[in-house]
Amino acid sequence: KQEVTQIPAALSVPEGENLVLNCSFTDSAIYNLQWFRQDPGKGLTSLLLIQSSQREQTSGRLNASLDKSSGRSTLYIAASQPGDSATYLCALKGKEGGKLIFGQGTELSVKP
Amino acid sequence: EAGVTQFPSHSVIEKGQTVTLRCDPISGHDNLYWYRRVMGKEIKFLLHFVKESKQDESGMPNNRFLAERTGGTYSTLKVQPAELEDSGVYFCASSPRGTFATNEKLFFGSGTQLSVL
Repeated sequence: KQEVTQIPAALSVPEGENLVLNCSFTDSAIYNLQWFRQDPGKGLTSLLLIQSSQREQTSGRLNASLDKSSGRSTLYIAASQPGDSATYLCALKGKEGGKLIFGQGTELSVKP
Repeated sequence: EAGVTQFPSHSVIEKGQTVTLRCDPISGHDNLYWYRRVMGKEIKFLLHFVKESKQDESGMPNNRFLAERTGGTYSTLKVQPAELEDSGVYFCASSPRGTFATNEKLFFGSGTQLSVL
């Protein structure tokens, strides 16, 4: 059974710092992996989607990597800003169907 | 273009009552998903519609939950009778792509916060 784990559960950094959020999974048979952002009281916003055949995706200050062999994905945020404060979730689409399997998320706080 | 819309945004009901949640997907999206997050747990899949047909309902917790998508447009999720453990945030998501598309990106609504007292 696929399990997705995100470490750390919470992270606080000063503005301007580069940071890495981690996501691990137990079954490498996946179609894709997505990183989402959730602001309080809001829905989930898709940040990056990495297909199973890809190694990484970049969007602005964000870079996500995928290593299926080790069951890991990382989300790198460069030059963090207070506006980056949110909960970041990774979710993957497994081969057993169209549903996404989510990690518990990392709550990020960027202090001015 | 309007995003995925859910209402109500909040619902507070007593145990044993009935609640109906509604989701309006992005226009033209055939795929519609329901997910929920209960306190302290990760977001979990409930079910998946392709147009008006249930593609996968393996995540529905029990027969107190009934989802419909008449006409393949908006969807409703009814909980009857509600129990305390049903409290949580119910999310709806939609996508225009097929179930097994490796680049299927889901668009989520803001969720309905359900509190059962």
